[in-house]
Amino acid sequence: QKEVEQNSGPLSVPEGAIASLNCTYSDRVSQSFFWYRQYSGKSPELIMSIYSNGDKEDGRFTAQLNKASQYVSLLIRDSQPSDSATYLCAVTLAGGTSYGKLTFGQGTILTVHP
Amino acid sequence: GAVVSQHPSWVICKSGTSVKIECRSLDFQATTMFWYRQFPKQSLMLMATSNEGSKATYEQGVEKDKFLINHASLTLSTLTVTSAHPEDSSFYICSARGVTHTLTFFGQGTRLTVV
Repeated sequence: QKEVEQNSGPLSVPEGAIASLNCTYSDRVSQSFFWYRQYSGKSPELIMSIYSNGDKEDGRFTAQLNKASQYVSLLIRDSQPSDSATYLCAVTLAGGTSYGKLTFGQGTILTVHP
Repeated sequence: GAVVSQHPSWVICKSGTSVKIECRSLDFQATTMFWYRQFPKQSLMLMATSNEGSKATYEQGVEKDKFLINHASLTLSTLTVTSAHPEDSSFYICSARGVTHTLTFFGQGTRLTVV
């Protein structure tokens, strides 16, 4: 079983729609959760971080965390063609010298068409 | 956010030669640096974790004698791919974390092509 799983997609949505990206993780001691956006040939760019159960909103992005279900999601409202990218879910354990060591999901390719 | 600079952005080398990639934290002291590798259409896979002044910790399956990591200062870590082969061609990405940071910051990545 993969530690972090995402639907690889591709996910295609029309411009202006809501894109919903999902992620599950297997290690219950995971404490920090991140969504990254990666354009082709570029390094990952942090979109959202979330640490406690519930929703966290930042502009058009909302991250949702449910630790009981070991589930993290990202909603992108009013999707734009420039949102077309691969979205990576990542988790990390808290504390210790390995804090910041990220385990990534395989990524979901999102295409927003005009 | 903090800035991490990775150099070079891309490099082409001949099979059998060695290549060094640098990762620098420009405006903070990076107590921990991480090296990832990403093959085409795959996700990032952690290769090793390095803490300043100590030996790197390699992930299972990563050859420590082939991928030499040095973290001699709080602002610089290097990854040297020794005796490179075409199968080492990949996108190598570093990230760094300072002692006061809850986040890690990524470098721009290095595209290595071994011919």
